[in-house]
Amino acid sequence: GQNIDQPTEMTATEGAIVQINCTYQTSGFNGLFWYQQHAGEAPTFLSYNVLDGLEEKGRFSSFLSRSKGYSYLLLKELQMKDSASYLCAVSMNYGGATNKLIFGTGTLLAVQP
Amino acid sequence: EAQVTQNPRYLITVTGKKLTVTCSQNMNHEYMSWYRQDPGLGLRQIYYSMNVEVTDKGDVPEGYKVSRKEKRNFPLILESPSPNQTSLYFCASSYGTGMNTEAFFGQGTRLTVV
Repeated sequence: GQNIDQPTEMTATEGAIVQINCTYQTSGFNGLFWYQQHAGEAPTFLSYNVLDGLEEKGRFSSFLSRSKGYSYLLLKELQMKDSASYLCAVSMNYGGATNKLIFGTGTLLAVQP
Repeated sequence: EAQVTQNPRYLITVTGKKLTVTCSQNMNHEYMSWYRQDPGLGLRQIYYSMNVEVTDKGDVPEGYKVSRKEKRNFPLILESPSPNQTSLYFCASSYGTGMNTEAFFGQGTRLTVV
């Protein structure tokens, strides 16, 4: 089966660094996405990892360890506008031409002044 | 501007009254899908489409229908809505489902069935 776990909620302070973890158990792993979703809005793409290691994109970085089934999203220099849900999503291949995107339940991050 | 457009954004309806939520994308994407998002359950796929006239069930297809007569449009049909279909719905599109193909989401449709 497939399972994706991430913390339900986190709180951090403006200007600080926060790390949001995601662990997964899937077969046919084909990459991991992070999306940001503000309340009542559409998810928007943040990052994609398919190889082990760290991908850096401005204030956001994402790390993947395939052997451990583990990823994290690192947010630096937190701003109030970073308050949102962060969704971990794993792309899985079932053996055909189609990959399937499985979402975790999301981590609600509250940034405080 | 590249976008996925859903309509309506908000809808309140009564049990059993057929409704359609429209979805249109202007990026010439082949792959489109519908999700519902419920508290504590995350995004769950309802139906997806690999191309025109090619559709298949996702994880929670019961009570829903879709069609893909044109590449840009992928409407979600609820023939006889029930209160357990009250949810936030998202349409998404992508070039395909290969590696590093990000999904673009519509603005969402908040449906309430009373």
